[in-house]
Amino acid sequence: DIQMTQSPSSVSASVGDRVTITCRASQGISRWLAWYQQKPGKAPKLLIYAASTLQAGVPSRFSGSGSGTDFTLTISSLQPEDFATYFCQQTNYFPLTFGGGTNVGI
Amino acid sequence: QVTLKESGPALVKPTQTLTLTCSYSGFSLTTTGMRASWIRQPPGKALEWLARIDWDHDTFYTASLRTRLTISKDTSKNQVVLTMTNMDPVDTATYYCARSRDGYNAGAFDIWGPGTVVTVSS
Repeated sequence: DIQMTQSPSSVSASVGDRVTITCRASQGISRWLAWYQQKPGKAPKLLIYAASTLQAGVPSRFSGSGSGTDFTLTISSLQPEDFATYFCQQTNYFPLTFGGGTNVGI
Repeated sequence: QVTLKESGPALVKPTQTLTLTCSYSGFSLTTTGMRASWIRQPPGKALEWLARIDWDHDTFYTASLRTRLTISKDTSKNQVVLTMTNMDPVDTATYYCARSRDGYNAGAFDIWGPGTVVTVSS
């Protein structure tokens, strides 16, 4: 199985901060990487797929980069509605696997 | 509008079989490339992909639970069903169904149901 390791597991930030989350795959996955945002009691929401493509309707302050084993999600200027947990997922190799999550809080 | 909604028992006893239903609308699971998966999330923990069924009836499972899982679809009812046998308290989780599409969004899950909470307890 491909292990997806996210860091940090939690980050404290303020509105307006730039936030960066990393995701490392245990083996190369090319650009088969998605990022999701999850708020308490809600289902995850797709933010980015193919490592760097923004899903329709997602604000441009979110961006993704990387390929192979190392990936990054960046929020350029944190907004109040961005406080949430973020998960990465490799989307192509069975079993499909998720990272452990990064909680972005105050 | 594409939607999915999970349904099933909120409480099951250990050793029982869980049956969950995902009712979907706004798309067809007979359309080439369409896929539906089940994913679960124990309280406070990460997401775990369980199984997927494709438009062409192909099915895929996570190896660690393969002997306990069965995924099926009834396209006449627009439903995807997951059964999980021999339930254990460690299976307590929120269970989600989600859509993905071959050739779109690089296989990512673009639409999710709201989830259904399942507790395993005697």
